[in-house]
Amino acid sequence: SQQGEEDPQALSIQEGENATMNCSYKTSINNLQWYRQNSGRGLVHLILIRSNEREKHSGRLRVTLDTSKKSSSLLITASRAADTASYFCATRMDSSYKLIFGSGTRLLVRP
Amino acid sequence: DTEVTQTPKHLVMGMTNKKSLKCEQHMGHRAMYWYKQKAKKPPELMFVYSYEKLSINESVPSRFSPECPNSSLLNLHLHALQPEDSALYLCASSRGVDTYGYTFGSGTRLTVV
Repeated sequence: SQQGEEDPQALSIQEGENATMNCSYKTSINNLQWYRQNSGRGLVHLILIRSNEREKHSGRLRVTLDTSKKSSSLLITASRAADTASYFCATRMDSSYKLIFGSGTRLLVRP
Repeated sequence: DTEVTQTPKHLVMGMTNKKSLKCEQHMGHRAMYWYKQKAKKPPELMFVYSYEKLSINESVPSRFSPECPNSSLLNLHLHALQPEDSALYLCASSRGVDTYGYTFGSGTRLTVV
């Protein structure tokens, strides 16, 4: 079952621009995570934000979480061609081991 | 070692075949997972093993049979699959629940003919 929706479904930007992806989810969560997937292979964990956190940074990544709106955003600053990939948010409910993925955003960064 | 290793990378099998997918990690993670991913779709959870015991089965058909022989290994046994089972099968592991993300393998691309 799919927990969340991501917006936009696809995003095309020029190298150097910022990319923003949004994720909405349906139920209360323990934490929310963002993953990157290149060319339909394995997913790479980018960042985890807990339900009691509002913002988190990691390098060029900035994640925000608004639990009242059940939404999160991922900002990639100064994008590079190598950032071209699909990006998924994933939510964990309570303390379950169940991690459910959103629908994903396909990002294309043009050189 | 910070990887999850999946074998084989590609598998083509007939509907009457029996095959197995293998997954291995040596990070000391005590939770391991199988996900199925169709093209241009998000990964869908199939099974969760916690401390070598099956803790979640997402109503997966019995033609998929998971096995966790020890804390480092996870298998997915396949039997009498259908063409619609063709997908990328991803294995993942995690240390805990609240603080850590998952480490994914690169997947097995399965084609059922």
